Amino acid sequence: SQKIEQNSEALNIQEGKTATLTCNYTNYSPAYLQWYRQDPGRGPVFLLLIRENEKEKRKERLKVTFDTTLKQSLFHITASQPADSATYLCALKGGSSNTGKLIFGQGTTLQVKP
Amino acid sequence: DAGVIQSPRHEVTEMGQEVTLRCKPISGHNSLFWYRQTMMRGLELLIYFNNNVPIDDSGMPEDRFSAKMPNASFSTLKIQPSEPRDSAVYFCASLSSGTSEQFFGPGTRLTVL
Repeated sequence: SQKIEQNSEALNIQEGKTATLTCNYTNYSPAYLQWYRQDPGRGPVFLLLIRENEKEKRKERLKVTFDTTLKQSLFHITASQPADSATYLCALKGGSSNTGKLIFGQGTTLQVKP
Repeated sequence: DAGVIQSPRHEVTEMGQEVTLRCKPISGHNSLFWYRQTMMRGLELLIYFNNNVPIDDSGMPEDRFSAKMPNASFSTLKIQPSEPRDSAVYFCASLSSGTSEQFFGPGTRLTVL
């Protein structure tokens, strides 16, 4: 069956370090993968999208990689700050090509300590 | 733009009561999604609409759940009768045609006693 896995345990890192979050999937051939940020009591907010034919995408301090052979995406936050503390969700596009349906992972909570 | 608007923000009800959650998508967006989020199951898609038409309701847990989108600016998710296991945060999201970024509302926290 189709499955998306993110580290269920919280990730604790020191300010200034690089945070790396993992998203693994099975039995999918997604056209693209997205990363969202969710703060407590709020809805998810879109961060980045990477397509199946792209290896890497960057946006300011964020970097996403997508390995369709390993069926894995890595999400990096460089020079992390306490304000980066949140839950990060990966999402794969499901369904046929003309739909916007997304399947979300459970999310990984990141805590950046000053 | 005010973003996706959901109401109420919090709802506490008793088992067996009818619950109606409301969503106003971003103006001009033609796709609307209803999600449910719990600690155990994460963020699950319940149903989504494209141009006011339900496209995929395979995530709707059972017949107690129903959703409507009578026009481009309004959608409802109804639970009748509600049960304690329906307690969760329900999110509405909208999407503009030709794009991939979903915009989420603030959610409705539902507690069924």
